[in-house]
Amino acid sequence: EAQVTQNPRYLITVTGKKLTVTCSQNMNHEYMSWYRQDPGLGLRQIYYSMNVEVTDKGDVPEGYKVSRKEKRNFPLILESPSPNQTSLYFCASSNQGTGELFFGEGSRLTVL
Amino acid sequence: RKEVEQDPGPFNVPEGATVAFNCTYSNSASQSFFWYRQDCRKEPKLLMSVYSSGNEDGRFTAQLNRASQYISLLIRDSKLSDSATYLCVVRGAAGNKLTFGGGTRVLVKP
Repeated sequence: EAQVTQNPRYLITVTGKKLTVTCSQNMNHEYMSWYRQDPGLGLRQIYYSMNVEVTDKGDVPEGYKVSRKEKRNFPLILESPSPNQTSLYFCASSNQGTGELFFGEGSRLTVL
Repeated sequence: RKEVEQDPGPFNVPEGATVAFNCTYSNSASQSFFWYRQDCRKEPKLLMSVYSSGNEDGRFTAQLNRASQYISLLIRDSKLSDSATYLCVVRGAAGNKLTFGGGTRVLVKP
């Protein structure tokens, strides 16, 4: 089954404790992206990757890192989480140029 | 001004009625347009692409008005299962940047 898998789905952590949210897709998509969704602000792009070893900042990259060492994986790293990073995070992938994004089920992160 | 703007709603719709709502975009060079559907606490899923000539998929009709820079979505014969948030998505001139609107919430009631 074609899918985008994120882990963990839910996480409560404390300020400053490094965490990684993993994202994996099995559709051989070149393009992958991370979004955060907050009430009243919609979906905002954090980082995206056009292909292996190619990553670029989105609209709200501060406080986040990503890597794309393999085509299927695109982890999101919070080196020192802060409460303003409490949000619902979505990973998504697509083929170049098709426009259809396939989303993971989301990761709800709470930073205390 | 936001790049992509939507009326957040909610649009309260009697079952069987028709509902329509728009999405405006600021960049006249935008290339492609889409409607995604998002159910509560779930991931967004593509509902339909929006073509220049307008397109229809069952009870759903999407239109693009480039002159006035908006797209629209019309839902006919609304079902309870149509209750969701509808996200407008615009692909920029650069080709790979997708910008999401804040979503329009639709509540279909018996």
